[in-house]
Amino acid sequence: DSGVTQTPKHLITATGQRVTLRCSPRSGDLSVYWYQQSLDQGLQFLIQYYNGEERAKGNILERFSAQQFPDLHSELNLSSLELGDSALYFCASGEETQYFGPGTRLLVL
Amino acid sequence: GQQLNQSPQSMFIQEGEDVSMNCTSSSIFNTWLWYKQDPGEGPVLLIALYKAGELTSNGRLTAQFGITRKDSFLNISASIPSDVGIYFCAGSPWTQGAQKLVFGQGTRLTINP
Repeated sequence: DSGVTQTPKHLITATGQRVTLRCSPRSGDLSVYWYQQSLDQGLQFLIQYYNGEERAKGNILERFSAQQFPDLHSELNLSSLELGDSALYFCASGEETQYFGPGTRLLVL
Repeated sequence: GQQLNQSPQSMFIQEGEDVSMNCTSSSIFNTWLWYKQDPGEGPVLLIALYKAGELTSNGRLTAQFGITRKDSFLNISASIPSDVGIYFCAGSPWTQGAQKLVFGQGTRLTINP
């Protein structure tokens, strides 16, 4: 158990819909990272937050957004969903070393 | 963008054999991490490397941070069935506190009993 929790574990939705993925970092970690894992793209960095502030952005689509709250949990919002957004979404926390949560499997039908 | 080339893509070995896999990069990384991922689960950290030339062990696993900062390898000795899974290298091109990880494509390890 990495200490990072993610909910929900599975999510099935339709194209055009909006979903919210939630992550709680390990106790004491200020940084939260979001990654997307798809079969054809592998693990891709989306965005990093540090103590509530956005710190780094990767290949995150404009339809996607994230935020980190004062209690340090983070949410990843995915809107106008497309079939190609189906993937595993991971949250990680830590500084030099990142510890991953169990992931949310999103299926867009 | 930055890319990591991980090889081999897959390995089929007998139980008890040693395993070696490596990652190379076209750019310098400040941190190298090795993860193992089981199907449907999140990557689990195996070894973290922070200094060029560093050699670190974790049980039967040994990893090294290349001197050029552009490569790393992972060795697994005396493989056992629970070693089956996908192994990923990841590098961190640390820049002003940003710690995004760049991942290799993964090495899928299969063990014949």
